[in-house]
Amino acid sequence: DAMVIQNPRYQVTQFGKPVTLSCSQTLNHNVMYWYQQKSSQAPKLLFHYYDKDFNNEADTPDNFQSRRPNTSFCFLDIRSPGLGDAAMYLCATSIRRQGGANVLTFGAGSRLTVL
Amino acid sequence: DAKTTQPNSMESNEEEPVHLPCNHSTISGTDYIHWYRQLPSQGPEYVIHGLTSNVNNRMASLAIAEDRKSSTLILHRATLRDAAVYYCILRVPRNNNDMRFGAGTRLTVKP
Repeated sequence: DAMVIQNPRYQVTQFGKPVTLSCSQTLNHNVMYWYQQKSSQAPKLLFHYYDKDFNNEADTPDNFQSRRPNTSFCFLDIRSPGLGDAAMYLCATSIRRQGGANVLTFGAGSRLTVL
Repeated sequence: DAKTTQPNSMESNEEEPVHLPCNHSTISGTDYIHWYRQLPSQGPEYVIHGLTSNVNNRMASLAIAEDRKSSTLILHRATLRDAAVYYCILRVPRNNNDMRFGAGTRLTVKP
């Protein structure tokens, strides 16, 4: 009964070939996050959605885009992957309440390899 | 932005308690202290969180200093399965609830 599901778990692409990673959740959480984690580094926040409101981190490259068509799904699009974009991409969800703690629930991640 | 500082690595023996420290000297009154851990090849998982009072759950305890400028995650009896990277994170409501990770502490548990 996985609650945050990421697909695919492993993705291999060629330099410059667009990639889409997906995340779905059964928790009905109103916030969805995308993180990038490179080898031996901490997860780095790329952006998040609060409902339909998109919040981009200032240093997230334009090459990374996201879509959230409904509450359950969120997509990460990498328009022209470079070798430096090879990483684990983590999706997380939380429920945002006034004064609440916003505990994150993570998916297992999608590992992207760029050839 | 409020930041956290943790030791890069710690070691523990199996069956012994582990105290993982975190400094957050710029914390403000509404910032929650969260702890997550990441086992090898997995996504991070929630461990515990608190605001002002010490907290206990089935995984761990969280001790928060009276001035809230530091906290300690306590694993009461470390097992080999507790070997992971432990992240201390502040949830900062005034920054749109962004959850940004610091470098974390890599815990090694020796049998």
